[in-house]
Amino acid sequence: ETGVTQSPTHLIKTRGQQVTLRCSSQSGHNTVSWYQQALGQGPQFIFQYYREEENGRGNFPPRFSGLQFPNYSSELNVNALELDDSALYLCASSLAVGDASGYTFGSGTRLTVV
Amino acid sequence: KNQVEQSPQSLIILEGKNCTLQCNYTVSPFSNLRWYKQDTGRGPVSLTIMTFSENTKSNGRYTATLDADTKQSSLHITASQLSDSASYICVVGNTGFQKLVFGTGTRLLVSP
Repeated sequence: ETGVTQSPTHLIKTRGQQVTLRCSSQSGHNTVSWYQQALGQGPQFIFQYYREEENGRGNFPPRFSGLQFPNYSSELNVNALELDDSALYLCASSLAVGDASGYTFGSGTRLTVV
Repeated sequence: KNQVEQSPQSLIILEGKNCTLQCNYTVSPFSNLRWYKQDTGRGPVSLTIMTFSENTKSNGRYTATLDADTKQSSLHITASQLSDSASYICVVGNTGFQKLVFGTGTRLLVSP
């Protein structure tokens, strides 16, 4: 059984650029959630994808967008990067309904915007 | 507003000692409560998960308790080790599509 894998592990971008972060969900999981974690803070919910459709969104602007593919892997895209976007971006996969125990996080992508 | 509050914010204990971390929540409707351990710059790793009907759950030296009436949980760490140094995050799940509300964590430092 494979866990959740994220790529890249670290990334440095310039303000105004665009970035794509990737997540492969755990085998058998069809739901992927993305979180932003600023230094010293708890993760903040960005959005969730279930069977390729967005299923809930946190308080993030439209320049944060996502995709989920038929194999349930996912991408997080951020346009027009700002310095405050510097954070650890976490992906978590789960079974959508009735799963209280299978919420699994990846190791995250550390994004630095300069 | 759905919130999870943890205390203390940070804690330093000597190796071998016990400690207890606290979590209060106002999340509704409640599905489950999880404790995660997060090493710096890494993703959270699940320690315990409890549903409404459970009031205690152990995982080795970690024991979590849940009082759904008072909406409080605690994580007790026994015989601490240097490797326990990390942030411990309390996370409460809503019903439905597993949206989680995170606390800001307790930063634990175990000193030799």
